[in-house]
Amino acid sequence: KAGVTQTPRYLIKTRGQQVTLSCSPISGHRSVSWYQQTPGQGLQFLFEYFSETQRNKGNFPGRFSGRQFSNSRSEMNVSTLELGDSALYLCASSLGTQGFNEKLFFGSGTQLSVL
Amino acid sequence: AQSVAQPEDQVNVAEGNPLTVKCTYSVSGNPYLFWYVQYPNRGLQFLLKYITGDNLVKGSYGFEAEFNKSQTSFHLKKPSALVSDSALYFCAVRDMGTMLTFGGGTRLMVKP
Repeated sequence: KAGVTQTPRYLIKTRGQQVTLSCSPISGHRSVSWYQQTPGQGLQFLFEYFSETQRNKGNFPGRFSGRQFSNSRSEMNVSTLELGDSALYLCASSLGTQGFNEKLFFGSGTQLSVL
Repeated sequence: AQSVAQPEDQVNVAEGNPLTVKCTYSVSGNPYLFWYVQYPNRGLQFLLKYITGDNLVKGSYGFEAEFNKSQTSFHLKKPSALVSDSALYFCAVRDMGTMLTFGGGTRLMVKP
């Protein structure tokens, strides 16, 4: 069974641009969560999608948005990039929502650098 | 609000010695506790979780964790460390109806 796939692996953007990251969950998993990982802030929850609906949202500005498609694949978009958005963005999938306390399966992440 | 603290940025241990990675938490209700490990250039991998039941939880790769409600702790342990255990370890907690909150991570260095 293929794991969680995130594309692209690396991205370099400039301030003010926008970016779209993609995540393909494990086959059969319906929940996708997104996290931002930085050396100073650790892992911060962005949002969770389940069956194409956003179930939970973290404390991030509206520039961060996401969506989930009928095949459970998810995209995350960041508009008007700022230097502080430079981070490793991790996607995690699970069979059910986080409320079921199931383990999360993480992708290798997309490393975003904003110049 | 829930929170989790990993008081040590780095833990150094010699191969073959026991290891402990510390975690303390704060939640308003009953805690659901997790440990994940991150190897270089990889995403996080699940190690173990505590939901209810026995305070000692056994997980992957010979790791175990002890839930202590009075001390609000969930320390990760292994009787005999391997060099291959060197990685970044994250403790995480969630309360009913909330999302996983991760600690800042502890880097484990196992030296031969």
